[in-house]
Amino acid sequence: ETGVTQTPRHLVMGMTNKKSLKCEQHLGHNAMYWYKQSAKKPLELMFVYSLEERVENNSVPSRFSPECPNSSHLFLHLHTLQPEDSALYLCASSQVGAYYNEQFFGPGTRLTVL
Amino acid sequence: EDQVTQSPEALRLQEGESSSLNCSYTVSGLRGLFWYRQDPGKGPEFLFTLYSAGEEKEKERLKATLTKKESFLHITAPKPEDSATYLCAVRNMEYGNKLVFGAGTILRVKS
Repeated sequence: ETGVTQTPRHLVMGMTNKKSLKCEQHLGHNAMYWYKQSAKKPLELMFVYSLEERVENNSVPSRFSPECPNSSHLFLHLHTLQPEDSALYLCASSQVGAYYNEQFFGPGTRLTVL
Repeated sequence: EDQVTQSPEALRLQEGESSSLNCSYTVSGLRGLFWYRQDPGKGPEFLFTLYSAGEEKEKERLKATLTKKESFLHITAPKPEDSATYLCAVRNMEYGNKLVFGAGTILRVKS
């Protein structure tokens, strides 16, 4: 595996379900991010983990719960979601402290909430 | 409040018809302007980073330039495979590692 991988690629869930999204980065980076991308809207940053510590939480509802067990893995736990949470969820990673700090993205998980 | 505005929202070109996409920004203490390409159903693919006014970078048919208020992505003699959404993002001194994205420009190149 190379780059940033995400599973599953597609997820359909009911409003009462609990599911998790998984992200893994193979780039040796020390920061990971969750973004939400809705149709015709800019990418919205949800969470940032730097050196495995959460450093950013952009007023995201508590029905989204992130977890970063180590610098290579990131999870987004979902529960009691709403239909408006349907979107493409993107994971990214970067190297904090490096001069070139570009973020590299995974392919995303297309989430549909019924 | 920092803002990133991309124009046009959508652009249709004939193959070989050169054009430019615009990204205007208002940010205090720019620490990088980033261009990404995104194909439908996929994650954004990194293209360029620009750090200071006057800087230019090229990759195949793409050339990115930066001024103090905006960046342009020039596409020379585009091909149908250049069709995608092009995203612009900025990072400033206060953001740390956060990026603020524009809404993107959808480019369609017809043969």
